[in-house]
Amino acid sequence: AQRVTQPEKLLSVFKGAPVELKCNYSYSGSPELFWYVQYSRQRLQLLLRHISRESIKGFTADLNKGETSFHLKKPFAQEEDSAMYYCALYLHGSGNTGKLIFGQGTTLQVKP
Amino acid sequence: ETGVTQTPRHLVMGMTNKKSLKCEQHLGHNAMYWYKQSAKKPLELMFVYNFKEQTENNSVPSRFSPECPNSSHLFLHLHTLQPEDSALYLCASSQDVGGNEKLFFGSGTQLSVL
Repeated sequence: AQRVTQPEKLLSVFKGAPVELKCNYSYSGSPELFWYVQYSRQRLQLLLRHISRESIKGFTADLNKGETSFHLKKPFAQEEDSAMYYCALYLHGSGNTGKLIFGQGTTLQVKP
Repeated sequence: ETGVTQTPRHLVMGMTNKKSLKCEQHLGHNAMYWYKQSAKKPLELMFVYNFKEQTENNSVPSRFSPECPNSSHLFLHLHTLQPEDSALYLCASSQDVGGNEKLFFGSGTQLSVL
């Protein structure tokens, strides 16, 4: 079955500590993966996508096809990183169709 | 207002009521989506529209009826809902339906079914 799994519901770290938010996926096709973030009282928004190989707000994520993972990492967490993080996988359909499915989300809490 | 706008922000309805959720995007996008966000489940895709045509219905019960009159507007008509339908309903849009499209989300409508 096609799915996205985020095993941790809550991740709590201290400011300055490294952060790794885990994401695993199950998909028979070529995966296209994303991280979305929702800060308190703000809308859900795109953080980064694997194809761009970018670093946003100090976060990076590398697609590991062997381990079917797309973990989100940051070497030094900041308090403003506290938010809900969702991993998402794009499923290709026939023709010009497809859909984005999300994991359960992980709440990151960065303590001072 | 730019971006994706959803109204109402909050809605309380009885199981026999009929109501509609509205979504409007001012981004010139061609694709629009309805997602359901429940407390104990992942964000669930409900419907996808591309150029006003429905391209995805994720096995959604018929008590939810979407309508997309044009690429800028998307409605979700609700009737005879159940208490378990209480959730945050999110609308999103993207330029097109494609693998690397960035989704822009609205603030959502918090629905409570009594």
